[in-house]
Amino acid sequence: GAVVSQHPSWVICKSGTSVKIECRSLDFQATTMFWYRQFPKQSLMLMATSNEGSKATYEQGVEKDKFLINHASLTLSTLTVTSAHPEDSSFYICSERVADTQYFGPGTRLTVL
Amino acid sequence: SQQGEEDPQALSIQEGENATMNCSYKTSINNLQWYRQNSGRGLVHLILIRSNEREKHSGRLRVTLDTSKKSSSLLITASRAADTASYFCATDYRDDKIIFGKGTRLHILP
Repeated sequence: GAVVSQHPSWVICKSGTSVKIECRSLDFQATTMFWYRQFPKQSLMLMATSNEGSKATYEQGVEKDKFLINHASLTLSTLTVTSAHPEDSSFYICSERVADTQYFGPGTRLTVL
Repeated sequence: SQQGEEDPQALSIQEGENATMNCSYKTSINNLQWYRQNSGRGLVHLILIRSNEREKHSGRLRVTLDTSKKSSSLLITASRAADTASYFCATDYRDDKIIFGKGTRLHILP
C-alpha cells in the first residue's frame, strides 16, 4: 500500500492565489521529507528538504518566500505556493526516506490560470 | 546542475526487442535507483543498486553500475507495450538527497 500520500491530487487556481499541498507519511515517522517539481516532459528537480521542527533547506534558485514549507509534525509536511502564477504550473511530488529507500507520493498537479 | 545525464533522451523500439538506457552522474554515490513514470503519473520504483554492486536483476530488468565511469545502464528485455513510459535514474548522495537524471522516454511500437 501507499506509504506517502498527497492532497490534493490536482488543483486549478487563479493567478495570485496561494495553494497548499499536503504530504503525509502513512507508515513511518519522517523527520525529513523532500519536495520536487516536474515540468511537462522534464525530469524531477529537487526544490527543498523539509526538516521536522526546523526550517526547510532550499536548493539553489528556489525562492523560499515563494514556496513555503512547513513540517510541523513527523507525518505531515506542507508546501504552499504563494501568489501563484502560470509559470508555477507544474507537477509537485514529495518523498520521504526510510533507510535506503525513497518513497514518493503520487504527486499534485497544479494548474494556474 | 543537479542532474546527471541520461541517454538516449528518447527511444522507440519494436515490441519484443530489448531496450537499453544509460545514465551518468557526477560525484560519489551511496546507491543508484531507477524509476518509471507513466505519462502524468507518479513514480514507480524499479530497482536499487548499491555502490559496491556491479549488476542486479529483477524480472526482465537488468541494471549495471560502473563506479569508475560513474555510469549505470538499465536493460529491459523482451519489451512490451506496457513498458512505454519515461525512465529516470536517481543518484543517492551522502547528504541523503536523491537527484534525478533527465530521463529517457521509451516508446514500444506494436
